[in-house]
Amino acid sequence: AQKVTQAQTEISVVEKEDVTLDCVYETRDTTYYLFWYKQPPSGELVFLIRRNSFDEQNEISGRYSWNFQKSTSSFNFTITASQVVDSAVYFCALYNFNKFYFGSGTKLNVKP
Amino acid sequence: GAVVSQHPSWVICKSGTSVKIECRSLDFQATTMFWYRQFPKQSLMLMATSNEGSKATYEQGVEKDKFLINHASLTLSTLTVTSAHPEDSSFYICSAEVAQENTGELFFGEGSRLTVL
Repeated sequence: AQKVTQAQTEISVVEKEDVTLDCVYETRDTTYYLFWYKQPPSGELVFLIRRNSFDEQNEISGRYSWNFQKSTSSFNFTITASQVVDSAVYFCALYNFNKFYFGSGTKLNVKP
Repeated sequence: GAVVSQHPSWVICKSGTSVKIECRSLDFQATTMFWYRQFPKQSLMLMATSNEGSKATYEQGVEKDKFLINHASLTLSTLTVTSAHPEDSSFYICSAEVAQENTGELFFGEGSRLTVL
């Protein structure tokens, strides 16, 4: 069975703090993709990153970084020096066999 | 990146009426489109997979007679909520995958918020 768990329902930080959003997934397949999406209050999903199961290299994009560890089935997302504009719900998702499995989302509140 | 557009963005209707939501891939062809439903403060739940030229595949628990999906062309899929009731009020999101690719490169529409009075 495929499953994505985001244990953190809501996180509040003060601007400029670093914050890590956790994502743990379950799958028996060896080929899959992992994603992070941002959903601001307006509702649209904003694509942040896609990772395939064979690429465990961590990635950094500006203030965003991702840590993929197959050994622990985790794909965590870190925002460095958070900003108010980062406030949103963040979803981690697993994709294989033409289906997306979304986590329950983590609401991030960044206070000025 | 590719663009997926949904219309309408929001709709309010009376109970018992039917509502059609369109999902268009604007600059690419999509043999497969997906429809999701999102309740407030919850995750996206896959409702159905829409395949061009064939019947949609519905997820368990989704009433296919209630949520009619038509994927008549490579750039358009429609979701019709028939005889809508207040419990159908939700945020509906579609996504599309570039034809002939199975890499999870999905593009999401901006969503359609349905309120049934």
